Parts: sequence; C-alpha cells; structure tokens
Amino acid sequence: ETGVTQTPRHLVMGMTNKKSLKCEQHLGHNAMYWYKQSAKKPLELMFVYSLEERVENNSVPSRFSPECPNSSHLFLHLHTLQPEDSALYLCASSQDRHSNQPQHFGDGTRLSIL
Amino acid sequence: ELKVEQNPLFLSMQEGKNYTIYCNYSTTSDRLYWYRQDPGKSLESLFVLLSNGAVKQEGRLMASLDTKARLSTLHITAAVHDLSATYFCAVDGAGKSTFGDGTTLTVKP
Repeated sequence: ETGVTQTPRHLVMGMTNKKSLKCEQHLGHNAMYWYKQSAKKPLELMFVYSLEERVENNSVPSRFSPECPNSSHLFLHLHTLQPEDSALYLCASSQDRHSNQPQHFGDGTRLSIL
Repeated sequence: ELKVEQNPLFLSMQEGKNYTIYCNYSTTSDRLYWYRQDPGKSLESLFVLLSNGAVKQEGRLMASLDTKARLSTLHITAAVHDLSATYFCAVDGAGKSTFGDGTTLTVKP
C-alpha cells in the first residue's frame, strides 16, 4: 500500500479521444506531481502542484492539462494525443515541494495511443 | 540546459561485492534525488540530498553529494540479489527537474 492511488491502471485510447487520469492521496501531503516514463526517453517531471497551485510546468504540450481540485486529488486530462505520448504516467506526492522527505509514488497508468 | 549523466548504465555484480554508481550533472543545483525502480513497477524514493557533503545511508545503500564537483554517488555495500533494480538520479536545476538515464543493476549469486 503506497498511499497514492492511480486510476485507471491501463488505458488504451485513440488520438481523437478525451480521457482523464486520476491520482488520489490521503497522506496529508501538500505537493503532488505528474511524471512521464517513455520507453525511449528519460523520465520527465511534467507538472508540480503545491497547495493546489501549479508551481512547475516543464514545457509540456497543451494536449496534457492538469487539474488539482484539492490537496488530495490530481487529474491529468488528455486530449488529441499522439502515438509518442504512449508511456507510463506516474503520480507522486510529498509533504511539501522542497521537502527532504521522500516522495510517495502511485503504481502508474500505462497509456497506449492507437 | 541541465544535463544529467549516470554511469554505468548497466552493472552486473556478484553478491557480497561493493560498487558505486555515479551521477554527474552540468549546472548548479542544490537538490539531488535517488530513486529505485523494479521491473514493471513504479518508482520508489531512496534519498534526497540537499547540500554539499550530504551523506545518507539506508541499509546497504549510501548516497553522497559533492555540489562543487557536481557529482553524486550511490554506493552499494555487500550486494544482495534483492538490490537488483534500475536506479535513477534526478537533479533540480535551471528551473526544472532532470533525470539520468538510469543504471540497471543485476546482482548475481
């Protein structure tokens, strides 16, 4: 039990679909993160939220749209994705953005774009 | 642009041996992370290193940070099979977090 739950675990979608990835934590953490892990590229930190405000956006295309409605939930809305967006998407949380405490990761959503 | 290089990328070692994984980065940073990933699994945070000379240890793993040399090391002591995994370092700098390519460690009996 990691304390961070991601749904769905697997998602297959067409390029014209709209879907959302969900992440939930009940650890009392104030910071939440989205990461992307592709087969052929290094891990990427996509977005960081601290106290429900986006504090980092690392040059992510606009077809990825994050949302953090409260400190326990984080979404990644997907729209008109490309085949190269197929990857493992990981959510994590930590006490604060610059905490010296470790991040807690979810199990990830494996996304495949047809 | 911040670049992070890990070496080696692949490491095969025998149980009971010691070895070190290196993480070099190209620009000033005051925060470095080490992660572990088992095949088909998510990431696990191992260490957060915040200052020059920082050293942290957990079990058979010890991480250190030299900000002047822009170098972090992950030292493995008396390796056991359970340490087989891919290890990533990541560095906060130039306004973003950048990961190394990972070091895949295989510990053989």
